[in-house]
Amino acid sequence: SQELEQSPQSLIVQEGKNLTINCTSSKTLYGLYWYKQKYGEGLIFLMMLQKGGEEKSHEKITAKLDEKKQQSSLHITASQPSHAGIYLCGAESGSARQLTFGSGTQLTVLP
Amino acid sequence: NAGVTQTPKFRILKIGQSMTLQCTQDMNHNYMYWYRQDPGMGLKLIYYSVGAGITDKGEVPNGYNVSRSTTEDFPLRLELAAPSQTSVYFCASRDGASGGYNEQFFGPGTRLTVL
Repeated sequence: SQELEQSPQSLIVQEGKNLTINCTSSKTLYGLYWYKQKYGEGLIFLMMLQKGGEEKSHEKITAKLDEKKQQSSLHITASQPSHAGIYLCGAESGSARQLTFGSGTQLTVLP
Repeated sequence: NAGVTQTPKFRILKIGQSMTLQCTQDMNHNYMYWYRQDPGMGLKLIYYSVGAGITDKGEVPNGYNVSRSTTEDFPLRLELAAPSQTSVYFCASRDGASGGYNEQFFGPGTRLTVL
């Protein structure tokens, strides 16, 4: 079965700083999803990557999938308190393309 | 569109009680999923369905049952609740008919405590 490891597990940064979260897979990634979760709420879709070398950006968040398709990174530029939350990576697998998730990265942004 | 809705939002059960977590989506998605999220952990798949009348087990199905009689609804049944089932439960759906990579839409979750 596929396993996803996220690092770091938690991150505290000062507002305005850049940061990177990594997601490493035990197998080749076919469809890697990034979600954000705030405490007590559901998951908010951020981006999906499927091709090796692919990079997508939305506002100040950029996600990349490496060429070998076994690692993805999420980079936030000039972080803001609104970026705080739990970031989860999920990989598609199985006939119903269900998601296997990493354990999440808890991001705190200090004003 | 309301998207994916779940009820109840919170529930406290006693050991041995049973309950049904409701999930409804109004996007006409054929694929639906149930996940659970334990504190500090990612989500684990409990059951999934690829269409009305078709369900299958995920990674952690023990202690749960599901049914899918309509496209819209995918209830999750807990029989004989145990403390190990204390968790946050998320329902999700996606459009599997169009092919390609489509995001899963998640409901707001049900926070369940078993005492």
